[in-house]
Amino acid sequence: KNQVEQSPQSLIILEGKNCTLQCNYTVSPFSNLRWYKQDTGRGPVSLTIMTFSENTKSNGRYTATLDADTKQSSLHITASQLSDSASYICVVTGAGSYQLTFGKGTKLSVIP
Amino acid sequence: DGGITQSPKYLFRKEGQNVTLSCEQNLNHDAMYWYRQDPGQGLRLIYYSQIVNDFQKGDIAEGYSVSREKKESFPLTVTSAQKNPTAFYLCASSIDLRVGNQPQHFGDGTRLSIL
Repeated sequence: KNQVEQSPQSLIILEGKNCTLQCNYTVSPFSNLRWYKQDTGRGPVSLTIMTFSENTKSNGRYTATLDADTKQSSLHITASQLSDSASYICVVTGAGSYQLTFGKGTKLSVIP
Repeated sequence: DGGITQSPKYLFRKEGQNVTLSCEQNLNHDAMYWYRQDPGQGLRLIYYSQIVNDFQKGDIAEGYSVSREKKESFPLTVTSAQKNPTAFYLCASSIDLRVGNQPQHFGDGTRLSIL
């Protein structure tokens, strides 16, 4: 069964600090991996999409990395801001599949 | 401003009642999706549609129905057969079901609760 596991489940950091969120997946064969940000009570918003051949992709202070050999991805947030408080969801699409497999998300709280 | 509009934001259902959640998009996307989100769980696919008048069941379609009479609209009906309907429902769209590297754009959800 295709699975996407995210860690940690929740994280609290001080404003201005960096953090890294992890995503491990078993989806195979693999097509692409996405990171979404979901504010409380809102819909997810796409941060990055990476295909098999991409190792890293940035979107402002967000940098995603992908190791397709070990089936691992990370999302690094630099110089965190209070507005970064949200759930971050890792989503994987299998090759030849229309369906996405969603992780349960990591809930990030940035405190002053 | 292009986007996806879901309404209502909050909805209450009585026992034995069917309720319909609205989803409208002005992004000119062909593909549309309905997901259910429960606390501490990943999003689960209910139904998806590639073109008008065609839709497919996702992983948890039982107790739900949809229609796709217009490209812009993809309403979801939660029927009385869905015994545990309390959840956050998200509608999404993408350019095309088959273009796997395109992002899905999400609406801001409808929270459904049982009275």
